[in-house]
Amino acid sequence: KNEVEQSPQNLTAQEGEFITINCSYSVGISALHWLQQHPGGGIVSLFMLSSGKKKHGRLIATINIQEKHSSLHITASHPRDSAVYICAAMYSGGGADGLTFGKGTHLIIQP
Amino acid sequence: EAGVAQSPRYKIIEKRQSVAFWCNPISGHATLYWYQQILGQGPKLLIQFQNNGVVDDSQLPKDRFSAERLKGVDSTLKIQPAKLEDSAVYLCASSHQGYGYTFGSGTRLTVV
Repeated sequence: KNEVEQSPQNLTAQEGEFITINCSYSVGISALHWLQQHPGGGIVSLFMLSSGKKKHGRLIATINIQEKHSSLHITASHPRDSAVYICAAMYSGGGADGLTFGKGTHLIIQP
Repeated sequence: EAGVAQSPRYKIIEKRQSVAFWCNPISGHATLYWYQQILGQGPKLLIQFQNNGVVDDSQLPKDRFSAERLKGVDSTLKIQPAKLEDSAVYLCASSHQGYGYTFGSGTRLTVV
């Protein structure tokens, strides 16, 4: 069964702290997405990874294929980073590439 | 670039009624997905289209849910008849061969 586990489920931190959100998946994937969801349902794709590391501004995403593990880091966190961060794995096969989502990490950055 | 458009944003219906949602993907994105997100959970894939063909509908409750993408562009998802447990946000997304995954703002359905 394709599963995606995220930790922690909830995270509250002070402005400026370094944030790490972890994601593990059960079997081989073709790619892994990190998504940001704000209240009201809007989902924004932050990264799509199949190997190594990607950086965009204060966000860094890494993936270790052998360990089936990925992390999302936020440097110099800010209250506007408060959102739900979701890890989603793309298990491709037969043309199907729908995402299997983790339950999300609810991040609150306090000023 | 225009995003993935969905309508309506909100819908409240009584159980056993029918409802339809509409999605217009990013121009040029051949792949379109419908996801169901129940409160407190991550989204679950209901159906994936490649152009106007169904690639994966293994998690679509076919006794009450149907979806179509007749011209390979916009798509509709229908529920008939609705049950209380169908209350969720229905998200549409599109991609180009798995890249450029873009989500719509979703339709929040409440079944009472």
